[in-house]
Amino acid sequence: GAGVSQTPSNKVTEKGKYVELRCDPISGHTALYWYRQSLGQGPEFLIYFQGTGAADDSGLPNDRFFAVRPEGSVSTLKIQRTERGDSAVYLCASSETGAGSGANVLTFGAGSRLTVL
Amino acid sequence: GENVEQHPSTLSVQEGDSAVIKCTYSDSASNYFPWYKQELGKRPQLIIDIRSNVGEKKDQRIAVTLNKTAKHFSLHITETQPEDSAVYFCAASSTNFGNEKLTFGTGTRLTIIP
Repeated sequence: GAGVSQTPSNKVTEKGKYVELRCDPISGHTALYWYRQSLGQGPEFLIYFQGTGAADDSGLPNDRFFAVRPEGSVSTLKIQRTERGDSAVYLCASSETGAGSGANVLTFGAGSRLTVL
Repeated sequence: GENVEQHPSTLSVQEGDSAVIKCTYSDSASNYFPWYKQELGKRPQLIIDIRSNVGEKKDQRIAVTLNKTAKHFSLHITETQPEDSAVYFCAASSTNFGNEKLTFGTGTRLTIIP
């Protein structure tokens, strides 16, 4: 697509529930990133995919968080047993890779705002 | 891992004056330094970036300078306008394959006073 698309744009859930957030990156972008942004803070890295594999998942806060990208395009961030502290905007971004000028240039989606009651 | 510090956290500037935001980074392997602008409730958008093979880059009213020795880089906005009001984030990353994640600063809320 023309840009990075994220769904849902807003998600309200109750503590303890399971949620899935979806990201559809820019066509042809092999790198995909998930970030979390709390109010008044900068985006905080969660996980980074190169193709289908997670190249770096060091930012996932605990084992309740998991992400997949089975076909190297769309990615899903999964959060189990949600807690109030998980409330934030979850941003997805994609970029080209390699030595070209587009490498590392992240284009962000509009985010999914998660509210855990 | 990389640590990026950003100052100031808030900045108010009279319309038409210049604004400067500064960042420092810790990882000497970092070689890519973008700046993002985020308006309230919107996505971060890239406004300018610089790679470590140059010391300065300019795009109209916006410029970025990089001092690799001191590990700091700065955003300069000249002739500020009300639409420049937003939160600005600096970031740093390495272009080594598999280590391309951006580490962001904590943001600067820039307010342009008409």
